[in-house]
Amino acid sequence: NAGVMQNPRHLVRRRGQEARLRCSPVKGHSHVYWYRQLPEEGLKFMVYLQKENIIDESGMPKERFSAEFPKEGPSILRIQQVVRGDSAAYFCASSPQGKHTEAFFGQGTRLTVV
Amino acid sequence: QQQVKQSPQSLIVQKGGIPIINCAYENTAFDYFPWYQQFPGKGPALLIAIRPDVSEKKEGRFTISFNKSAKQFSLHIMDSQPGDSATYFCAASGNNDMRFGAGTRLTVKP
Repeated sequence: NAGVMQNPRHLVRRRGQEARLRCSPVKGHSHVYWYRQLPEEGLKFMVYLQKENIIDESGMPKERFSAEFPKEGPSILRIQQVVRGDSAAYFCASSPQGKHTEAFFGQGTRLTVV
Repeated sequence: QQQVKQSPQSLIVQKGGIPIINCAYENTAFDYFPWYQQFPGKGPALLIAIRPDVSEKKEGRFTISFNKSAKQFSLHIMDSQPGDSATYFCAASGNNDMRFGAGTRLTVKP
């Protein structure tokens, strides 16, 4: 009965390095959402993916950020050439297909850029 | 892209008070409205949810009121306790889409 699994829980990167955040959705869920949360702030939508497809990436910064949700394996949020402003908690949520569905969140990955 | 608007941004009440958090949505395709509770350092957790065919749903001390014509819904916490201090997020889903409000930081003072 595993929920949404995110790893790593904490990630420290130096400026200019790449950060890879992984999200394994609840088994059977085909929808994944990524959110960013700055300290003391709410959830900011980044991207919504279904298996192998990006449905809505309107919240993603135009450069350095990318996301994928392959047919097999976890969803990956990739941040290239990280900067201090990328430091935040990144949450992944998943939901099943169909109507009246709620999303279940992972514990998040806390990225610190030094 | 702000399809779900949540207010207030923060809220402070005394123990026993009834905090009310409001949300409004735009997309009439939304047909399910969950609320999430988040404690510091944790991910948001599902608290309670409502469908638009009812105007109110109650679970324990938590109540959702829903106004379909106004496209608004709200969370009421009865007899609030310091342990309810957390950030609350509303959401709206439907048609394989889900959007969240920006969150309300609730503090319940002893």
